[in-house]
Amino acid sequence: AQSVTQLGSHVSVSEGALVLLRCNYSSSVPPYLFWYVQYPNQGLQLLLKYTTGATLVKGINGFEAEFKKSETSFHLTKPSAHMSDAAEYFCAVSEGGGNKLTFGTGTQLKVEL
Amino acid sequence: GAVVSQHPSRVICKSGTSVKIECRSLDFQATTMFWYRQFPKQSLMLMATSNEGSKATYEQGVEKDKFLINHASLTLSTLTVTSAHPEDSSFYICSERKTSGGPDTQYFGPGTRLTVL
Repeated sequence: AQSVTQLGSHVSVSEGALVLLRCNYSSSVPPYLFWYVQYPNQGLQLLLKYTTGATLVKGINGFEAEFKKSETSFHLTKPSAHMSDAAEYFCAVSEGGGNKLTFGTGTQLKVEL
Repeated sequence: GAVVSQHPSRVICKSGTSVKIECRSLDFQATTMFWYRQFPKQSLMLMATSNEGSKATYEQGVEKDKFLINHASLTLSTLTVTSAHPEDSSFYICSERKTSGGPDTQYFGPGTRLTVL
C-alpha cells in the first residue's frame, strides 16, 4: 500500500526566504510523485511531477522537488517566496503510474512581509 | 490547461435528504473520473473511480448505495449522496483524466462543500 506523510501542517516564511515543504512516501513499487497547490475556492493545480528519469524536477512558479529514493522523500522547494505562493500544498503518490493517487494531509504555506 | 467545474460549490441540506453534485469537464472528454472527499485538516480520500458507460469502482469502506455515481457522458459525472446525515458533511472534489493520459493528467474541480444539518 502507498502512503504519504507531510511534516508540518502549517509553514510560515518571510517574503524572499527559502520555501521548504517536506514530503515522505511509502510505496511497494517505483512511485510516481506529485505536488499540487490549492488556492482558496479553487481546484488542485499540478505544480510538478516525478515519473522516471531525472530526479530533480522543475515545476511552475519557480518550484522544484527532488526525488530521493534512499530517503523516500520528495521535498518541495522554492528559493525565494512570494506573497502569491500562500496556499495549501499537497504531496501525492501513485504506485507505478496507476490511476489511484494517495494524498498527504497538506501543508498550509503562509508568506509574511 | 483543462478546466473542470463542479456544481454547486456549497450546499446545505437537512438530514435524510439527497444531494446531487455535478462534475463537468469543460474542454476535454474524460473517460475516467474520480471522486474524493476531504475532511477538515485531512487528506483527500479517493471514494470511487468511474468510467463512462460502466459502473463505478468504489474504494473499500465507501458505501456504493449511499454514494451513487453516474458517469453518463464523457463530460459529466454526478455524485448523489442519498439520505444524507451530518457525518456526511465534507468537501467533495472530483477529478477527471484525459482519455490518453496517465496519472499526471488528472484535472481537479474546485470542490463542493456539503453541510448536513
